[in-house]
Amino acid sequence: QVQLVESGGGLVKPGGSLRLSCLGSGYTFSDNYMSWIRQAPGKGLEWVASISGPGPTVYYADSVKGRFIVSRDNAKNSVFLQMSSLRVEDTAVYYCAREAKSWVGDLIYFFHYMDVWGKGTTVTVSS
Amino acid sequence: EIVLTQSPGTLSLSPGERATLSCRASQSVRSSYLAWYQHKPGQAPRLLMYGASSRATGIPDRFSGSGSDTDFTLTISRLEPEDFAVYYCQQYATSPFTFGGGTNVDIK
Repeated sequence: QVQLVESGGGLVKPGGSLRLSCLGSGYTFSDNYMSWIRQAPGKGLEWVASISGPGPTVYYADSVKGRFIVSRDNAKNSVFLQMSSLRVEDTAVYYCAREAKSWVGDLIYFFHYMDVWGKGTTVTVSS
Repeated sequence: EIVLTQSPGTLSLSPGERATLSCRASQSVRSSYLAWYQHKPGQAPRLLMYGASSRATGIPDRFSGSGSDTDFTLTISRLEPEDFAVYYCQQYATSPFTFGGGTNVDIK
C-alpha cells in the first residue's frame, strides 16, 4: 500500500540545522508533488513547502522562506527538508504528504491537497 | 495569502448527532479548491473531502461537503464514536496553501 515514512527529527539548538527525510513506497514516487506540513505543540496544521515531481518547481510558506530548502531524489523515492537558522517557533511535528493528481484523458492535473500523509517526525528547537 | 477561519473552535456533541463545521475564506477560493482533513492525536491526518464536495476514497457517506467562493461547510450526518477528532479545512487554489485553525469535535 502507499506509505510515507519521515525521519531525521530531533533536538537542535536555536540557529542550528537539521535535515528531514521522507521515504515513499507503494506508488510511482516521481509522479506527484510532495509537501511538508507541520504542527506546533497545541497548534493547528501549517503548510511549509511543496516540490513538483521532477523537482524544479517549489513553493514555500513565508515563515520558512530563505531558511528551509525542499528537495527530492526520485531514484531513492525520497523528499527532504533542509532546515537552517532554526528558531524556537519551528518546534513541531513535521509531516510529509503526497499531493494529489488526476488524469483527464491524456492530460494530467496536479492539485495541492494532500491525499496520503506520513505519521510525522518531531523537531524540537531549544537551548 | 488566503486566511481560513474555522468555526466553532470546539463542538461538543453526542454520538448520533449531526455536526456542522464552517470554514470561511478571506477571499474567494478559485474553483472551490477546498479540502477537509480529519486529525486524531498521534495519527497522520486523513483526507476527507476535496473540491469542496467530493469525498476521498473510502470516506463514508455520512461525511459531506458544500459551499463555494468564501463559505464552505463540512457536515457529519450522524456522529460515530470514531468521528471525534479535529477537522481542518485547507485551500489549495493559491500558494501559500493555507489551513484553517481547526474545529475540535469532542464528546458531550
